[in-house]
Amino acid sequence: ETGVTQSPTHLIKTRGQQVTLRCSSQSGHNTVSWYQQALGQGPQFIFQYYREEENGRGNFPPRFSGLQFPNYSSELNVNALELDDSALYLCASSRELGGTDTQYFGPGTRLTVL
Amino acid sequence: GESVGLHLPTLSVQEGDNSIINCAYSNSASDYFIWYKQESGKGPQFIIDIRSNMDKRQGQRVTVLLNKTVKHLSLQIAATQPGDSAVYFCAETFSGSARQLTFGSGTQLTVLP
Repeated sequence: ETGVTQSPTHLIKTRGQQVTLRCSSQSGHNTVSWYQQALGQGPQFIFQYYREEENGRGNFPPRFSGLQFPNYSSELNVNALELDDSALYLCASSRELGGTDTQYFGPGTRLTVL
Repeated sequence: GESVGLHLPTLSVQEGDNSIINCAYSNSASDYFIWYKQESGKGPQFIIDIRSNMDKRQGQRVTVLLNKTVKHLSLQIAATQPGDSAVYFCAETFSGSARQLTFGSGTQLTVLP
C-alpha cells in the first residue's frame, strides 16, 4: 500500500452532471498529480498541484479543474460530464516538486458516465 | 508528439522463467524512467526507476536496463511468479514538465503454471 487514498471508489453519473473526486496524499508528500486512465490504455496526465496551485497541465479542457488544500489533499472536479469522461481517475503524490521523486498512485476512482 | 510505447502488448511466460518487457521512448529530453505494475482494479504500483545517468539498476528480482542511444528501456523479472501477472507500464518524464509522467499502453504479462 502506498498511503495514497482516493474516494469514492466507484461513481456513476449522467451526461451534463458535475463530479468531485478526492485524494489524500502520502504522509510527507506535498505534490499531487491527477491522471485519467481509459480502459485498456495507460494513464494520461491531467494536472499537478503544488502548494495549492496548479503547476502543469496536460491536454484536458478547462471543465477539468482541481484544488489542493493546506494539508496537501486534493480534489478533481469535472463539469458538464461527457460519455468519454468514463475512466479510472488516479491521483499520485510525490515529495518534491521538480525533483525525480517517485509518484505513488492511489487505487483510483472508477467513473462511469451514462 | 512525444510518446512512450511498448513493443509487445502481451507476454506469456512459464512460472520460474525470466521475463523481459521492452519499451521504446521517443523524447530525448526524458531523464527519468519508471516501471509500474498494475493489477486489475488497482492503481499502478511502483516497481523500479532509473535516471538517465545510469544504464542499469537492480532491485529485488527486477532489473531495469536503459539504452539511451536507441531510446530503449527494458524490465527483466527473474524467476517469474504467478503474482507477477499484471499489466506493466513504462513511464518517462523530464525536468521542466512538472514531472508529468508519459505512459505507454502497457504489456499484459501472464504467468503460466
